[in-house]
Amino acid sequence: KAGVTQTPRYLIKTRGQQVTLSCSPISGHRSVSWYQQTPGQGLQFLFEYFSETQRNKGNFPGRFSGRQFSNSRSEMNVSTLELGDSALYLCASSPGQNNEKLFFGSGTQLSVL
Amino acid sequence: GQQVMQIPQYQHVQEGEDFTTYCNSSTTLSNIQWYKQRPGGHPVFLIQLVKSGEVKKQKRLTFQFGEAKKNSSLHITATQTTDVGTYFCAGIGSYDKVIFGPGTSLSVIP
Repeated sequence: KAGVTQTPRYLIKTRGQQVTLSCSPISGHRSVSWYQQTPGQGLQFLFEYFSETQRNKGNFPGRFSGRQFSNSRSEMNVSTLELGDSALYLCASSPGQNNEKLFFGSGTQLSVL
Repeated sequence: GQQVMQIPQYQHVQEGEDFTTYCNSSTTLSNIQWYKQRPGGHPVFLIQLVKSGEVKKQKRLTFQFGEAKKNSSLHITATQTTDVGTYFCAGIGSYDKVIFGPGTSLSVIP
Protein backbone atom coordinates (compact mmCIF):
# COMPACT_ATOMS: atom_id res chain seq x y z
CA LYS A 1 0.00 0.00 0.00
CA ALA A 2 1.46 3.34 -1.00
CA GLY A 3 2.12 5.83 1.78
CA VAL A 4 1.09 9.46 2.03
CA THR A 5 2.38 11.36 -0.97
CA GLN A 6 3.10 15.07 -0.89
CA THR A 7 4.04 17.20 -3.87
CA PRO A 8 6.13 19.07 -4.58
CA ARG A 9 9.00 18.04 -2.31
CA TYR A 10 10.66 21.45 -2.46
CA LEU A 11 9.39 24.90 -3.37
CA ILE A 12 11.04 28.30 -3.56
CA LYS A 13 8.80 31.35 -3.72
CA THR A 14 9.13 35.08 -3.18
CA ARG A 15 7.21 37.26 -0.79
CA GLY A 16 3.71 38.14 -1.95
CA GLN A 17 3.30 35.06 -4.13
CA GLN A 18 0.88 32.27 -3.43
CA VAL A 19 1.49 28.54 -3.28
CA THR A 20 -0.55 25.35 -3.45
CA LEU A 21 0.63 22.12 -1.85
CA SER A 22 -0.86 18.73 -2.56
CA CYS A 23 -1.36 15.64 -0.44
CA SER A 24 -2.59 12.19 -1.47
CA PRO A 25 -3.51 10.11 1.58
CA ILE A 26 -3.14 6.38 1.95
CA SER A 27 -5.83 4.59 -0.04
CA GLY A 28 -8.96 4.27 2.07
CA HIS A 29 -8.01 7.01 4.52
CA ARG A 30 -10.62 9.73 4.76
CA SER A 31 -9.03 12.10 7.26
CA VAL A 32 -6.24 14.47 6.23
CA SER A 33 -4.45 16.90 8.54
CA TRP A 34 -1.86 19.55 7.78
CA TYR A 35 0.96 20.69 10.03
CA GLN A 36 3.61 23.37 9.77
CA GLN A 37 7.00 22.41 11.17
CA THR A 38 9.73 24.91 11.96
CA PRO A 39 12.86 24.40 14.08
CA GLY A 40 11.69 26.74 16.80
CA GLN A 41 7.96 26.00 16.84
CA GLY A 42 7.67 22.26 16.42
CA LEU A 43 4.58 20.85 14.71
CA GLN A 44 1.82 23.45 14.51
CA PHE A 45 -1.66 22.24 13.57
CA LEU A 46 -3.13 23.97 10.53
CA PHE A 47 -6.38 22.17 9.74
CA GLU A 48 -8.03 18.80 9.38
CA TYR A 49 -10.48 17.51 6.80
CA PHE A 50 -12.74 14.50 6.87
CA SER A 51 -14.99 13.58 3.97
CA GLU A 52 -14.46 16.97 2.32
CA THR A 53 -15.45 18.90 5.47
CA GLN A 54 -13.09 20.91 7.62
CA ARG A 55 -13.36 19.44 11.12
CA ASN A 56 -10.74 21.43 12.97
CA LYS A 57 -8.69 24.53 12.39
CA GLY A 58 -5.55 25.80 14.05
CA ASN A 59 -4.58 29.36 14.88
CA PHE A 60 -3.26 30.49 11.53
CA PRO A 61 -4.27 33.60 9.58
CA GLY A 62 -6.81 33.43 6.80
CA ARG A 63 -3.98 33.38 4.23
CA PHE A 64 -3.78 29.67 4.97
CA SER A 65 -6.61 27.65 3.50
CA GLY A 66 -7.27 24.12 2.44
CA ARG A 67 -9.74 21.78 0.91
CA GLN A 68 -10.37 18.10 0.43
CA PHE A 69 -11.71 16.44 -2.67
CA SER A 70 -14.11 13.54 -3.00
CA ASN A 71 -11.20 11.12 -3.49
CA SER A 72 -9.76 12.33 -0.13
CA ARG A 73 -6.84 14.10 -1.77
CA SER A 74 -6.19 17.45 -0.13
CA GLU A 75 -4.60 20.74 -1.03
CA MET A 76 -3.50 23.63 1.08
CA ASN A 77 -2.99 27.13 -0.21
CA VAL A 78 -1.01 29.99 1.22
CA SER A 79 -1.60 33.40 -0.29
CA THR A 80 0.52 36.54 0.02
CA LEU A 81 3.53 34.63 1.25
CA GLU A 82 5.66 36.07 4.04
CA LEU A 83 9.24 35.21 4.99
CA GLY A 84 7.95 33.57 8.16
CA ASP A 85 5.98 31.05 6.12
CA SER A 86 9.22 29.22 5.30
CA ALA A 87 8.77 25.80 6.85
CA LEU A 88 8.26 22.12 6.27
CA TYR A 89 4.57 21.47 5.61
CA LEU A 90 3.51 17.99 6.61
CA CYS A 91 0.36 16.19 5.66
CA ALA A 92 -0.94 13.25 7.65
CA SER A 93 -3.76 10.84 6.93
CA SER A 94 -5.81 8.65 9.19
CA PRO A 95 -8.36 5.93 8.43
CA GLY A 96 -11.25 7.41 10.41
CA GLN A 97 -12.27 10.62 12.02
CA ASN A 98 -10.94 9.84 15.49
CA ASN A 99 -7.30 10.29 14.40
CA GLU A 100 -6.18 7.24 16.34
CA LYS A 101 -3.02 6.97 14.25
CA LEU A 102 -1.51 9.51 11.90
CA PHE A 103 0.54 8.53 8.88
CA PHE A 104 2.78 11.36 7.70
CA GLY A 105 4.08 12.19 4.27
CA SER A 106 7.63 13.34 3.65
CA GLY A 107 6.49 16.95 3.55
CA THR A 108 6.95 19.94 1.29
CA GLN A 109 9.86 22.20 2.18
CA LEU A 110 8.81 25.75 1.37
CA SER A 111 11.34 28.55 1.23
CA VAL A 112 10.12 32.13 0.91
CA LEU A 113 12.72 34.62 -0.27
CA GLY B 1 -6.72 26.71 24.03
CA GLN B 2 -5.28 23.26 24.56
CA GLN B 3 -1.51 23.20 25.03
CA VAL B 4 0.90 20.29 25.21
CA MET B 5 4.31 20.73 26.81
CA GLN B 6 7.33 18.46 26.75
CA ILE B 7 10.54 18.38 28.74
CA PRO B 8 13.41 18.32 28.28
CA GLN B 9 13.83 20.08 24.95
CA TYR B 10 17.17 18.37 24.33
CA GLN B 11 18.88 15.36 25.87
CA HIS B 12 22.36 14.06 25.21
CA VAL B 13 23.15 10.61 26.58
CA GLN B 14 25.98 8.12 26.37
CA GLU B 15 25.04 4.97 24.53
CA GLY B 16 23.69 2.51 27.07
CA GLU B 17 22.24 5.16 29.38
CA ASP B 18 18.52 5.50 29.94
CA PHE B 19 16.39 8.36 28.62
CA THR B 20 13.03 9.78 29.67
CA THR B 21 10.86 12.50 28.15
CA TYR B 22 7.79 13.93 29.86
CA CYS B 23 4.64 15.31 28.32
CA ASN B 24 2.00 17.50 30.02
CA SER B 25 -1.31 18.78 28.73
CA SER B 26 -3.24 21.81 29.95
CA THR B 27 -6.48 19.83 29.55
CA THR B 28 -7.64 16.26 30.06
CA LEU B 29 -6.98 14.13 27.03
CA SER B 30 -9.06 11.36 25.52
CA ASN B 31 -5.83 9.65 24.55
CA ILE B 32 -2.18 10.41 23.83
CA GLN B 33 0.09 9.34 21.01
CA TRP B 34 3.87 9.22 20.66
CA TYR B 35 5.81 9.75 17.45
CA LYS B 36 9.48 9.58 16.51
CA GLN B 37 11.09 11.74 13.84
CA ARG B 38 14.56 10.83 12.64
CA PRO B 39 16.78 13.69 11.41
CA GLY B 40 15.62 14.65 7.92
CA GLY B 41 12.59 12.40 8.16
CA HIS B 42 8.94 12.68 9.03
CA PRO B 43 7.14 11.73 12.24
CA VAL B 44 6.38 8.02 12.58
CA PHE B 45 3.70 6.72 14.92
CA LEU B 46 4.99 4.72 17.89
CA ILE B 47 2.02 4.08 20.15
CA GLN B 48 -1.33 5.29 21.46
CA LEU B 49 -2.39 5.24 25.12
CA VAL B 50 -6.06 5.46 25.98
CA LYS B 51 -6.71 4.34 29.55
CA SER B 52 -5.92 6.23 32.73
CA GLY B 53 -2.71 4.83 34.28
CA GLU B 54 -1.97 2.72 31.21
CA VAL B 55 1.56 1.37 30.72
CA LYS B 56 2.73 -0.13 27.44
CA LYS B 57 6.08 -1.54 26.42
CA GLN B 58 7.75 -1.91 23.06
CA LYS B 59 11.08 -3.67 23.52
CA ARG B 60 13.26 -1.06 25.28
CA LEU B 61 10.57 1.65 25.20
CA THR B 62 8.06 2.09 28.05
CA PHE B 63 5.12 4.45 27.72
CA GLN B 64 2.91 5.65 30.57
CA PHE B 65 -0.34 7.62 30.68
CA GLY B 66 -1.07 9.49 33.87
CA GLU B 67 -3.99 8.74 36.15
CA ALA B 68 -5.56 12.12 35.42
CA LYS B 69 -4.99 11.66 31.67
CA LYS B 70 -3.08 14.94 31.52
CA ASN B 71 0.49 13.67 31.42
CA SER B 72 2.56 10.95 29.86
CA SER B 73 6.14 9.74 29.68
CA LEU B 74 8.37 7.78 27.37
CA HIS B 75 11.32 5.91 28.85
CA ILE B 76 14.04 4.25 26.79
CA THR B 77 16.25 1.72 28.52
CA ALA B 78 19.88 1.34 27.44
CA THR B 79 19.80 3.77 24.52
CA GLN B 80 21.33 2.85 21.19
CA THR B 81 22.47 5.07 18.32
CA THR B 82 19.35 4.00 16.42
CA ASP B 83 17.26 5.83 19.05
CA VAL B 84 18.52 9.23 17.83
CA GLY B 85 15.72 11.57 16.79
CA THR B 86 13.00 13.80 18.12
CA TYR B 87 10.23 12.27 20.18
CA PHE B 88 6.86 14.00 20.08
CA CYS B 89 3.83 13.41 22.20
CA ALA B 90 0.48 14.34 20.73
CA GLY B 91 -2.63 14.93 22.78
CA ILE B 92 -6.05 14.13 21.41
CA GLY B 93 -8.54 16.58 22.81
CA SER B 94 -11.97 17.82 21.92
CA TYR B 95 -13.27 17.08 18.42
CA ASP B 96 -10.38 14.61 18.01
CA LYS B 97 -8.00 17.50 17.45
CA VAL B 98 -4.37 16.31 17.54
CA ILE B 99 -2.01 18.78 19.23
CA PHE B 100 1.68 18.00 19.25
CA GLY B 101 4.13 18.87 21.96
CA PRO B 102 7.34 20.68 20.96
CA GLY B 103 9.33 17.44 21.07
CA THR B 104 12.44 16.20 22.84
CA SER B 105 15.51 15.86 20.70
CA LEU B 106 17.65 12.88 21.71
CA SER B 107 21.33 12.58 20.86
CA VAL B 108 23.19 9.38 21.65
CA ILE B 109 26.96 9.51 21.99
CA PRO B 110 28.56 6.22 20.97
